[in-house]
Amino acid sequence: DSGVTQTPKHLITATGQRVTLRCSPRSGDLSVYWYQQSLDQGLQFLIHYYNGEERAKGNILERFSAQQFPDLHSELNLSSLELGDSALYFCASSMSGTLYNEQFFGPGTRLTVL
Amino acid sequence: GEDVEQSLFLSVREGDSSVINCTYTDSSSTYLYWYKQEPGAGLQLLTYIFSNMDMKQDQRLTVLLNKKDKHLSLRIADTQTGDSAIYFCAEPISGGYNKLIFGAGTRLAVHP
Repeated sequence: DSGVTQTPKHLITATGQRVTLRCSPRSGDLSVYWYQQSLDQGLQFLIHYYNGEERAKGNILERFSAQQFPDLHSELNLSSLELGDSALYFCASSMSGTLYNEQFFGPGTRLTVL
Repeated sequence: GEDVEQSLFLSVREGDSSVINCTYTDSSSTYLYWYKQEPGAGLQLLTYIFSNMDMKQDQRLTVLLNKKDKHLSLRIADTQTGDSAIYFCAEPISGGYNKLIFGAGTRLAVHP
């Protein structure tokens, strides 16, 4: 158990819909990262928040957005869903935002878009 | 651009050594990482190596780094069935230690 929690575990929805994925980092961790894992794209970095502020963006679509709240939990919002958005979405957390820092991964949310 | 490459599949017999290889692109990477993903689970940091090291040993794991060729390898000694998983090599995106680029992952299958 990494200490990072993600809800829900599974999500099935239809194209065009909007969903929200939630992540609670390990106690004391200020950084939250979101990754997408799909069969064709592999594991892709989406976005990084540190203590409520966006720090870096990766291959995140404009239909996707995220935020980190004052209690440090984070939400990833996916809108206008397409079939290709079906993937495992991982959240990871770490204590600091620079140099070596071990990222602890949550168990993931499996999103299926029908 | 940044890219991390790994072979996709490795099959070994229980008790043998496994060697998983990776090539990376950013010579300025300070740390390089190996993550393990077991079926149905998230990623777990297995080990890492600092870029000024050539080798790091941690129990059954040995990491070798060849900076000249930008080649990283993970050797698992006495491979067990519990080592069956997908192993990802990762490097930080240049200029950002926190953002990781992952290889496609090597699926290790251990058979009796």
